Formats: sequence, C-alpha cells, structure tokens
Amino acid sequence: DTEVTQTPKHLVMGMTNKKSLKCEQHMGHRAMYWYKQKAKKPPELMFVYSYEKLSINESVPSRFSPECPNSSLLNLHLHALQPEDSALYLCASSLQGTAVAYEQYFGPGTRLTVT
Amino acid sequence: KQEVTQIPAALSVPEGENLVLNCSFTDSAIYNLQWFRQDPGKGLTSLLLIQSSQREQTSGRLNASLDKSSGRSTLYIAASQPGDSATYLCAVTGFQKLVFGTGTRLLVSP
Repeated sequence: DTEVTQTPKHLVMGMTNKKSLKCEQHMGHRAMYWYKQKAKKPPELMFVYSYEKLSINESVPSRFSPECPNSSLLNLHLHALQPEDSALYLCASSLQGTAVAYEQYFGPGTRLTVT
Repeated sequence: KQEVTQIPAALSVPEGENLVLNCSFTDSAIYNLQWFRQDPGKGLTSLLLIQSSQREQTSGRLNASLDKSSGRSTLYIAASQPGDSATYLCAVTGFQKLVFGTGTRLLVSP
C-alpha cells in the first residue's frame, strides 16, 4: 500500500466554523507533512511531523492547528479561517524526516473554500 | 533562502515530440531532487527522485538529470502523448523541507 489518503475531498466552511482535515498513511512512514497550494502556485510547506512530534512550523497562523495522534494519522484543525485561506491542502509522508531526505508521497488533497 | 525556478512556464507541443523541462535552484546544498506531475485540482504524483550523489534517473519515457554544482536539473520526456498533459514540478530537498519550483504547464495535442 503506497497510498496517502485525505478526507474530505472538498470542504466549504464559514469564517466562524471549526473543521478538521484528515490524512492517513499505512506505509510505516514516520514523517508527515502539511502543504498549502493556491491556484497556479507551487505547494508551500506548513508543518512537518517527525516521529509524531512537530519539528517544523513555517510560521503558520494559529488558526491552523496540526495534530499527529499516531504514526499513521495527521490532522489539521481549522478555526476562524479567512477567505484567503481557501486553497488545496496537501498531505505527504516519507519514510523519515531526518537529514537523509526520503521520497515524499502525496495525497490527493482537500479543496477548502472559506466563505 | 532556496529559490527554485522552472523554464518554460508553459509548453504546447504536438504528440510524438521529445521535450525538455528545465529546473534551476540557487543553493546547491540539497539532499535530493524530485520531479512531480500534477493534474488540475489533484495531488502530486512523484515521477523521479535523484539523490544528490546521482547524475540521472530513468523511468520509462522519462529521464531526469542533475548537475548539483551548477544548480540545474532537466526532465526529458520522450515521444510525448496527450496523457502527459499536466503541470510538472521539480522540488529540491534540504533538511526536512521540500522547496518547489514554479512549475511547467505542459499541453500535448493529438
């Protein structure tokens, strides 16, 4: 199984809502990532988890709150988002997230629209 | 700060042509370089991974080369097909971080 799954595929939320994005992999990978991609732009790194611990936060606003409950699951909790947060949110995983960089596998993404 | 640029930004070719996509990066201290394909509104599919110690990798009709010292990589696609139409992204890896290029939108017409 070389698949990263993400749910939901699409999400529409108001600025006062609280929602969560979910990412799952069963490849035994110990590093997981969240990226944000705006239309016609490359993905931008948001967070990196390595061995279930947050290792990189790319100065992401606190209205985005990541969580890694176990080595297979990564969540992104959303609260009080702004319309400019509308984007494709991509999850990825790799065998490890250490100095020896491993290939990253990406999920299909969640298309988020904030109204 | 690592910056990754891809040229051309867009490319339109007839089916059957061989083509080259270019990727350049400013900091040669990379661990590896990945080429990805992205279809509209979809996730990324990894095509090739070149470790920093390697010069090239091949997969089917795809061949990617890496010249770390000059900060360049090329993706060669042989005998292009309409199904190759997509955006192609290169990404270089530093410590835990993947920095993406600006992408090349490829259209292969029948």
